[in-house]
Amino acid sequence: GAGVSQSPRYKVAKRGQDVALRCDPISGHVSLFWYQQALGQGPEFLTYFQNEAQLDKSGLPSDRFFAERPEGSVSTLKIQRTQQEDSAVYLCASSYWTGSYNEQFFGPGTRLTVL
Amino acid sequence: KQEVTQIPAALSVPEGENLVLNCSFTDSAIYNLQWFRQDPGKGLTSLLLIQSSQREQTSGRLNASLDKSSGRSTLYIAASQPGDSATYLCAGLVSGAGSYQLTFGKGTKLSVIP
Repeated sequence: GAGVSQSPRYKVAKRGQDVALRCDPISGHVSLFWYQQALGQGPEFLTYFQNEAQLDKSGLPSDRFFAERPEGSVSTLKIQRTQQEDSAVYLCASSYWTGSYNEQFFGPGTRLTVL
Repeated sequence: KQEVTQIPAALSVPEGENLVLNCSFTDSAIYNLQWFRQDPGKGLTSLLLIQSSQREQTSGRLNASLDKSSGRSTLYIAASQPGDSATYLCAGLVSGAGSYQLTFGKGTKLSVIP
């Protein structure tokens, strides 16, 4: 089935390295979300795109985190100068439209480990 | 700020038992409440979504209820099976700075013993 896909599934980075995480949403979905899930915790909102526009980045923990969706489909979450506290699973979700009646569908996540 | 709490954090039951997972939220201004399942190393699978105007939703052996006034939701699993073993997360959809965001609880880890 054509669900949300993410790559890589696992990423190990040395502290200080830059990483890029990719999300392919369900085709035709307007809305795209990034969440961060630390070990033993629930996911926490990072940022939201409506098509190519980043409408909400209130959850990004620092200016080392940057996300883009230049053509309104694939999105990349970039983390610069990674720190150990960035170790987490990064989940991407998409929904067909905007608004509160639209269900979010999640990808399998990228597990980032910073050594 | 919306806070979501799930109790218990872990639950172990023998196969065949019926069980209830609890979820509470502090802000009744949620648009919907969603229950997810998460298997180890996997993403989230949506189980049930209850809109704020609804009281409950059912899918197979699963039934979820929502009481906005008391800030509570429950997920009822009938005739539990070992394949139901997973972490169950509830999340409320709230209005954020420029979007509708899901606010999650920490989850309940369910083990169904054969």
